[in-house]
Amino acid sequence: DAKTTQPPSMDCAEGRAANLPCNHSTISGNEYVYWYRQIHSQGPQYIIHGLKNNETNEMASLIITEDRKSSTLILPHATLRDTAVYYCIVRVDGGGSQGNLIFGKGTKLSVKP
Amino acid sequence: GAVVSQHPSRVICKSGTSVKIECRSLDFQATTMFWYRQFPKQSLMLMATSNEGSKATYEQGVEKDKFLINHASLTLSTLTVTSAHPEDSSFYICSARRYTGELFFGEGSRLTVL
Repeated sequence: DAKTTQPPSMDCAEGRAANLPCNHSTISGNEYVYWYRQIHSQGPQYIIHGLKNNETNEMASLIITEDRKSSTLILPHATLRDTAVYYCIVRVDGGGSQGNLIFGKGTKLSVKP
Repeated sequence: GAVVSQHPSRVICKSGTSVKIECRSLDFQATTMFWYRQFPKQSLMLMATSNEGSKATYEQGVEKDKFLINHASLTLSTLTVTSAHPEDSSFYICSARRYTGELFFGEGSRLTVL
């Protein structure tokens, strides 16, 4: 079973911030929150991940609530090229099969001009 | 960022033939690689976990004799679809795990079986 819940789709105006929510109410203490995106007919692209602190990189920011039951991926200035399916995944950061990612249905983000 | 390359990106074959797909981590060593399958408008489904130098671990419902996986080096894993049939037509994606924990994905290989 997928451990995360995401809205199936969202729209965002070009140049505005895109805020993608994710619920992971059953997350365990040793599970990280990962975000990937998949542009049509391409492999998934790593965006960001975090455990409990907020994280920021050149692509996005990740805000994790204090109880870790939900998080938000923020694309600060969305462009048309950010149109993709965004996957929020919780995962134990271990070796072997624990390194696997289980994909849910994700959120289809459409950035509109 | 780290790069994972798949080859071929697209392949069309006749029913009954075998097709090999390569997955290479170009700038890092990957002790573990994963193979996924994605049907149209669906999410990625894990097929198997490939560990360098040992036998792959297959997910329930995935036939190990049909989908042969070889992980002979730290930078290369191959998936061979044996005796392919039209229902095997799909988008096959590999990922490689770097020592830091992140998983990087290949560009995917679209298989069409006629």
